[in-house]
Amino acid sequence: NAGVTQTPKFQVLKTGQSMTLQCAQDMNHEYMSWYRQDPGMGLRLIHYSVGAGITDQGEVPNGYNVSRSTTEDFPLRLLSAAPSQTSVYFCASSYATGGYTGELFFGEGSRLTVL
Amino acid sequence: TQLLEQSPQFLSIQEGENLTVYCNSSSVFSSLQWYRQEPGEGPVLLVTVVTGGEVKKLKRLTFQFGDARKDSSLHITAAQPGDTGLYLCAGVPGTALIFGKGTTLSVSS
Repeated sequence: NAGVTQTPKFQVLKTGQSMTLQCAQDMNHEYMSWYRQDPGMGLRLIHYSVGAGITDQGEVPNGYNVSRSTTEDFPLRLLSAAPSQTSVYFCASSYATGGYTGELFFGEGSRLTVL
Repeated sequence: TQLLEQSPQFLSIQEGENLTVYCNSSSVFSSLQWYRQEPGEGPVLLVTVVTGGEVKKLKRLTFQFGDARKDSSLHITAAQPGDTGLYLCAGVPGTALIFGKGTTLSVSS
C-alpha cells in the first residue's frame, strides 16, 4: 500500500531557485494539505485543498503555490527559494465529509535546504 | 497567534513515571486529534476525541476532551522508552487541521 508518496526526500537549492515538491496519494482522499515543520514550531499549514480544482491558504502561504488538477496529486511549488524556507515539508491527505476532516495520513517528508 | 497551546514543550522522565500533556485553546473545536511522531517519519494518529467530556484509553495512554471542547489532555501511565517521541494535538477551527507546537517526550531506562 503506497498511501502518500512525496518526492524528493532531500533537496538542496540555492537562493532564488525554484522547484516543485511532488505529492501523490492513492486512497481517493478529497482533502490534501502541505505542512512545514521547523524545530519547536510543530506543523504549520501552508496550503490545503478539499478537492480537485479547489485550493486555499493556510497559516504560512507566502512564497508557495499549489494546484490540484486531479484527486491524486497536490504539488507544492517554491517560486524563488529563500533560506527561511529551509525546513521539512510534509504532505498529508484525509477523507473529508460535510466539512469534517478525518485522520491525516502523512508522507515521509521532504527535507529542503536553501543556501 | 497559536490557536492550540501545548504544554510542556519538553519532558524528560524515567521509565515507570506517569506524565500528562496538555492541549489548550480559547476556541471550541468539533474534535481534537492526537498524533505521535518519531524522528524521520510523519506523524501517526493516536486518537480522535469528539464529544465534550469524552475519555478514551489506548493501553497505557488516556485521552480526555474537555467539557467545553476547548482543551484536551494525554496521560501516560508507567512510561516506557518506546513512548519517546513528539506528541502533537490537532484541531479543525474551520476546514483545515491545525497543530499545536508539540511536546517532545524522552523516556530513559
